[in-house]
Amino acid sequence: AQSVTQLGSHVSVSEGALVLLRCNYSSSVPPYLFWYVQYPNQGLQLLLKYTSAATLVKGINGFEAEFKKSETSFHLTKPSAHMSDAAEYFCAVSFSGGYNKLIFGAGTRLAVHP
Amino acid sequence: EAGVTQFPSHSVIEKGQTVTLRCDPISGHDNLYWYRRVMGKEIKFLLHFVKESKQDESGMPNNRFLAERTGGTYSTLKVQPAELEDSGVYFCASSQRVGTGPGANVLTFGAGSRLTVL
Repeated sequence: AQSVTQLGSHVSVSEGALVLLRCNYSSSVPPYLFWYVQYPNQGLQLLLKYTSAATLVKGINGFEAEFKKSETSFHLTKPSAHMSDAAEYFCAVSFSGGYNKLIFGAGTRLAVHP
Repeated sequence: EAGVTQFPSHSVIEKGQTVTLRCDPISGHDNLYWYRRVMGKEIKFLLHFVKESKQDESGMPNNRFLAERTGGTYSTLKVQPAELEDSGVYFCASSQRVGTGPGANVLTFGAGSRLTVL
């Protein structure tokens, strides 16, 4: 069965520091992987997606994620955090033939302090 | 293009009452999904429509929940009677037909409907 694990429900970084949000997945078939972000009082917004093309995926707002099949990981990074990055981030997986049904991780709340 | 629209944004009801949530997907999106997040836990799948047909309703908690999608356009999710544990944020999402193309395999979410059952 497919599942997603996000390590760390809360992550705090200083402005300008590296952001690293961890995501590991379990899937018996080739997965599609996604990161969504939810800013305060807003809906879920797609940050980036992996759908079997390049393993390093660039998304919006300077975020990127690397698909590592051997580690079953899809960690999200950003070289330099900005105050506006404070939000909750969700990793999700779907798979071909699954009608795009998403399975989400529990979410990681990112705090950015001055 | 207009995004996925959900109404109401917030509903507060008492236990035992009925609430109906509405979702208007992106025009032309055959696939419509309902998800729910309860009290900071995972966002969990409830059900999936392809046009007006229920493709997968394996995530529906119980028979107090009824989802419809009239004519393959907007969808409603009714909770009757509501219980305390139904409180949470209900998200609707839509996607185009499964297949290739820039929008394939991507769900666009609405802002969610927050339900509070007292």
